[in-house]
Amino acid sequence: DTAVSQTPKYLVTQMGNDKSIKCEQNLGHDTMYWYKQDSKKFLKIMFSYNNKELIINETVPNRFSPKSPDKAHLNLHINSLELGDSAVYFCASSQDRSLGNTEAFFGQGTRLTVV
Amino acid sequence: GQNIDQPTEMTATEGAIVQINCTYQTSGFNGLFWYQQHAGEAPTFLSYNVLDGLEEKGRFSSFLSRSKGYSYLLLKELQMKDSASYLCAVSLGGATNKLIFGTGTLLAVQP
Repeated sequence: DTAVSQTPKYLVTQMGNDKSIKCEQNLGHDTMYWYKQDSKKFLKIMFSYNNKELIINETVPNRFSPKSPDKAHLNLHINSLELGDSAVYFCASSQDRSLGNTEAFFGQGTRLTVV
Repeated sequence: GQNIDQPTEMTATEGAIVQINCTYQTSGFNGLFWYQQHAGEAPTFLSYNVLDGLEEKGRFSSFLSRSKGYSYLLLKELQMKDSASYLCAVSLGGATNKLIFGTGTLLAVQP
């Protein structure tokens, strides 16, 4: 069983479109994250949810909207896609954000290409 | 701001030992992680340090000095499959315990 799964793995779309990426974890973790990895391989946090509550919201355009229907799911919706949104988006989860030694488990990533 | 620095690229020979350094200046500290990421794949956890000293796990060891804001990952008996990016990440603690990453070190292991 995949611990953190995200779909789709690849997404090619035109500028201006709206798209969603789904993420699910079956680890029973309390905290979920979205990270963006750009062409330089820099992994940057975008959002974090703890038990469906938004706890981290970095300086991300409001075209990006996370949604957490329950603590096992954290989806990412992107409106009006731009060329600069092209990147690999990783979902991750961890047991308890208050525990420093709780490793984050990552999904396989979604490679988004905006043309 | 938060600053985590690593060398961009390193090259080493199969069977050798390589040390990947990481220095950090962050507003908080609740531990330091090392992750491995092969091309096109997800990062996977390697090690965690929160106290000063060396943590050994098989061929991989990680060291932390909190006073110096410094860590290194030591890889012994290098294998070709160790060619990957190695990401240093700091857990900031506090209310959100945000995990922030360095830019990663791309290690190429040559025969």
